[in-house]
Amino acid sequence: AQSVTQLDSQVPVFEEAPVELRCNYSSSVSVYLFWYVQYPNQGLQLLLKYLSGSTLVESINGFEAEFNKSQTSFHLRKPSVHISDTAEYFCAVTGLFGIQGAQKLVFGQGTRLTINP
Amino acid sequence: GEEVAQTPKHLVRGEGQKAKLYCAPIKGHSYVFWYQQVLKNEFKFLISFQNENVFDETGMPKERFSAKCLPNSPCSLEIQATKLEDSAVYFCASSQFGGGEGYTFGSGTRLTVV
Repeated sequence: AQSVTQLDSQVPVFEEAPVELRCNYSSSVSVYLFWYVQYPNQGLQLLLKYLSGSTLVESINGFEAEFNKSQTSFHLRKPSVHISDTAEYFCAVTGLFGIQGAQKLVFGQGTRLTINP
Repeated sequence: GEEVAQTPKHLVRGEGQKAKLYCAPIKGHSYVFWYQQVLKNEFKFLISFQNENVFDETGMPKERFSAKCLPNSPCSLEIQATKLEDSAVYFCASSQFGGGEGYTFGSGTRLTVV
């Protein structure tokens, strides 16, 4: 079984400041890791994912996350945030390697990122 | 299409009434998942399907919740005799290979039980 902990429920930052949203996971098997973003009153959008290969993954809108196996972390970072980044961010994990069939996502509790002008 | 279509967007039911939610997965996706989002944050897994077969239903409150994915029809999630605690946003997601490539979520159905 897997579990995900997002250490901060809310993160307020000023526009153009850097931000890091923390995510730690636990699993007895190898995992796939995801960050999803939920804008107000909308569904979930996939921001980025780690499946294998390079431990640093990037999204098209400037976010990046680094998989750290020894620390079981997958923190999300952005060097300079914009007002439009205000949203709820969810870290999620699924154990998949060597397992057949539909693998459910296990979500963290979410981090509300609020950008102040 | 390339989106997961959920209907209706909003549903209001009196306590004890039935609620039925629908989800059309992306064409070609064999896997469908239902999640319940309560208290604005917590996502609870309900059930998953591989084509029309239930794969994992460990999250379903079986006495009142049921779900189906039949060929050539939208998937459905039905709640018999709704309770106030069922008020939540219900999300459907689909994937082609079971999840590793990332799931595509629908925009959700907001169920309000009054």
